[in-house]
Amino acid sequence: DAKTTQPPSMDCAEGRAANLPCNHSTISGNEYVYWYRQIHSQGPQYIIHGLKNNETNEMASLIITEDRKSSTLILPHATLRDTAVYYCIVREYQGAQKLVFGQGTRLTINP
Amino acid sequence: EPEVTQTPSHQVTQMGQEVILRCVPISNHLYFYWYRQILGQKVEFLVSFYNNEISEKSEIFDDQFSVERPDGSNFTLKIRSTKLEDSAMYFCASSAGQGGQPQHFGDGTRLSIL
Repeated sequence: DAKTTQPPSMDCAEGRAANLPCNHSTISGNEYVYWYRQIHSQGPQYIIHGLKNNETNEMASLIITEDRKSSTLILPHATLRDTAVYYCIVREYQGAQKLVFGQGTRLTINP
Repeated sequence: EPEVTQTPSHQVTQMGQEVILRCVPISNHLYFYWYRQILGQKVEFLVSFYNNEISEKSEIFDDQFSVERPDGSNFTLKIRSTKLEDSAMYFCASSAGQGGQPQHFGDGTRLSIL
């Protein structure tokens, strides 16, 4: 079973920041937080990951609380193309560890 | 940017036939994976592969399934004697493996069993 909890759906207006929350209260010290998204039935697309520090890349920012029990993915200026299912996944950082997908959050960007 | 490529994009096969799904992982990656997604359901892990052997497999990955890295670039999933319930999207992924490096996915093969 997935070790994360996400809201099933969210809406956001185009051009605004989309903030997607994730709870991972049982995360252990050697587990990273990964975010992926899936547009329609395409392959999951990697967005960002982090261990304990906040991270930013060209797609998004990841804010991890100090106790690491929750995180927020931020899409700073959402566009219609950001409409997708977003998955928050915790995974050990060593070796061939599988990704365990939950149901994710279906984010709809409205014009 | 390097990407994982999968062929074919859509495969239609009669029940009971064998099918081979092909993947070309990112070239410097060492860890390889197969996942599947039945229509309307979650993405499910099937198998991971490293150093020419299976690292982990799920309960789904029974004797009907096998994986192979026949050369330095391809990674294949073979399904023997396909069943109707094998109809799904099959995704290949690869990762460099070290230090939390993420898995990168291909766009999948849609397998339809008739």
